[in-house]
Amino acid sequence: DGGITQSPKYLFRKEGQNVTLSCEQNLNHDAMYWYRQDPGQGLRLIYYSQIVNDFQKGDIAEGYSVSREKKESFPLTVTSAQKNPTAFYLCASRWIPTDNSPLHFGNGTRLTVT
Amino acid sequence: GNSVTQMEGPVTLSEEAFLTINCTYTATGYPSLFWYVQYPGEGLQLLLKATKADDKGSNKGFEATYRKETTSFHLEKGSVQVSDSAVYFCALQNTGFQKLVFGTGTRLLVSP
Repeated sequence: DGGITQSPKYLFRKEGQNVTLSCEQNLNHDAMYWYRQDPGQGLRLIYYSQIVNDFQKGDIAEGYSVSREKKESFPLTVTSAQKNPTAFYLCASRWIPTDNSPLHFGNGTRLTVT
Repeated sequence: GNSVTQMEGPVTLSEEAFLTINCTYTATGYPSLFWYVQYPGEGLQLLLKATKADDKGSNKGFEATYRKETTSFHLEKGSVQVSDSAVYFCALQNTGFQKLVFGTGTRLLVSP
């Protein structure tokens, strides 16, 4: 079945450590996105990529980095510069040709930093 | 700029009750509108969408009509089930932009 796989489901890290969240899709979608979800704040866009080897900052990119070396993969690194990294992180993708094509989401990674 | 406003939750209903979750938006141009649903511990799934004024999106008994005159896209269901308990997000996508703008989500709790 086609879909988006995020791993791991739960991730624990100590403060000051960088951590990388995995996102893989087999939908042949061009565009991929990372969102952060916090209680009462909805979804906020961190980074997005429309094509391999290209990506743009979203609304809250500070303290995060991404790469897009392959169409299928869009890993997110949460760096030690991110002040409040504990959150639920969602990866999404969509097929670009139509502007109103829906996003497909993975099941998320819950990151806890102590 | 573009924005979406949803009613605060939680919305608590008994099974078979009528559901309305309000969503209003601010946007330039002619956005497409979406409702997404998030079940506990999961990502979001598209529930329904509408791409132009007066369009009605529907799926699994849920409906929403794109009302340009009131800039609204309220979600309705005639008879909710316990399995409908989830968080519902309204979102808009403006033509030519790659980013979806989400509301803050409304939690629905349905009791037997």
